[in-house]
Amino acid sequence: QKEVEQNSGPLSVPEGAIASLNCTYSDRVSQSFFWYRQYSGKSPELIMSIYSNGDKEDGRFTAQLNKASQYVSLLIRDSQPSDSATYLCAVNNGGNEKLTFGTGTRLTIIP
Amino acid sequence: NAGVTQTPKFQVLKTGQSMTLQCAQDMNHNSMYWYRQDPGMGLRLIYYSASEGTTDKGEVPNGYNVSRLNKREFSLRLESAAPSQTSVYFCASSVGGVQAEKLFFGSGTQLSVL
Repeated sequence: QKEVEQNSGPLSVPEGAIASLNCTYSDRVSQSFFWYRQYSGKSPELIMSIYSNGDKEDGRFTAQLNKASQYVSLLIRDSQPSDSATYLCAVNNGGNEKLTFGTGTRLTIIP
Repeated sequence: NAGVTQTPKFQVLKTGQSMTLQCAQDMNHNSMYWYRQDPGMGLRLIYYSASEGTTDKGEVPNGYNVSRLNKREFSLRLESAAPSQTSVYFCASSVGGVQAEKLFFGSGTQLSVL
């Protein structure tokens, strides 16, 4: 079983709709959770981090964390074509400086 | 401010050849990392360095060696390249400590081993 799991997609969402990306993790002691965005042919960039249960909002992005269910999600409101990318979920279980990445979900926003 | 710079951007090797991927950061970060990215496999950690003078194995270290030359530079060496090492390689850095998870990535190296 992979430590961090994501649906690889592709996920297609109409422009202006809400895109919902999901991630589950296996290590219950995980403490820090991140979403990275990677455009095709480019390097990943950090877009959201979340450390405690609940929602965290930043502009059109909302990260949601449920540690009891070992589940973290990313919502993108008012989706734009420029949001088309692969979204990588990353988890840190504390005690070291290593992130474990999921395989990523490819998101396509349809104009 | 260049951030994380890695060279070369592209490289083609024959099986058995050796090469070194170079990485430098100008953000005064303590921690540096080497990842490889393969289709369907996500980013996998090869080696990392939490501070100057220290290196540790990641998830897939076999076939690789690293050197943390100084605080700025962290190189990755393939001593005898194999086709299984065909991949995109990313160098990354972070402040370290509780900020370790906020990684800043270089632009990547596309490596093909024939």
